[in-house]
Amino acid sequence: DAGITQSPRYKITETGRQVTLMCHQTWSHSYMFWYRQDLGHGLRLIYYSAAADITDKGEVPDGYVVSRSKTENFPLTLESATRSQTSVYFCASSSGGWSYNSPLHFGNGTRLTVT
Amino acid sequence: DQQVKQNSPSLSVQEGRISILNCDYTNSMFDYFLWYKKYPAEGPTFLISISSIKDKNEDGRFTVFLNKSAKHLSLHIVPSQPGDSAVYFCAASGTQGGSEKLVFGKGTKLTVNP
Repeated sequence: DAGITQSPRYKITETGRQVTLMCHQTWSHSYMFWYRQDLGHGLRLIYYSAAADITDKGEVPDGYVVSRSKTENFPLTLESATRSQTSVYFCASSSGGWSYNSPLHFGNGTRLTVT
Repeated sequence: DQQVKQNSPSLSVQEGRISILNCDYTNSMFDYFLWYKKYPAEGPTFLISISSIKDKNEDGRFTVFLNKSAKHLSLHIVPSQPGDSAVYFCAASGTQGGSEKLVFGKGTKLTVNP
């Protein structure tokens, strides 16, 4: 089925561990995004990618690394997880960035807990 | 510095009545606005949008109104249904001046009571 899938749905990890959240889309959208949702903050942009091998920082990039070797995949890595990175992470894609006619399509999220 | 503000964290209405969700923005470079709807344990889904060249956009039971001079937009749901119970995010973006990245509000949780 076409869509955007995130894995895992839930993850518990310890402080200092490296963890990678996966995102895969089947629409061949050029743009992909990572957002985090925290109580009191809404959705905040971590990183985004305009195409394969092109990535850029968002509002809250510190502590995160991304890569985009293939158009359909956009993994997010926490190099050394901290408790402040406990959050719900959403991946999204669009055909035209944030343009008016290209609303974002979101995955169902990964709930990450760092202990 | 919050550029998109949803000052009501929650709203409760009766089924069949009107729901009005409000959103204010501060960046005058924003020129289009979107509403996303989010159910628990799911990702946000696009609901409706409006460009700054319009002051109203309607899609079925959902209407978004834009008041540029007041930097204010609102989402009206008429009539409200229990299935509309969700968190609604207002978002805004522009095409120049560093406003290109979509900025989200904190969300308003709507509860429609049967």
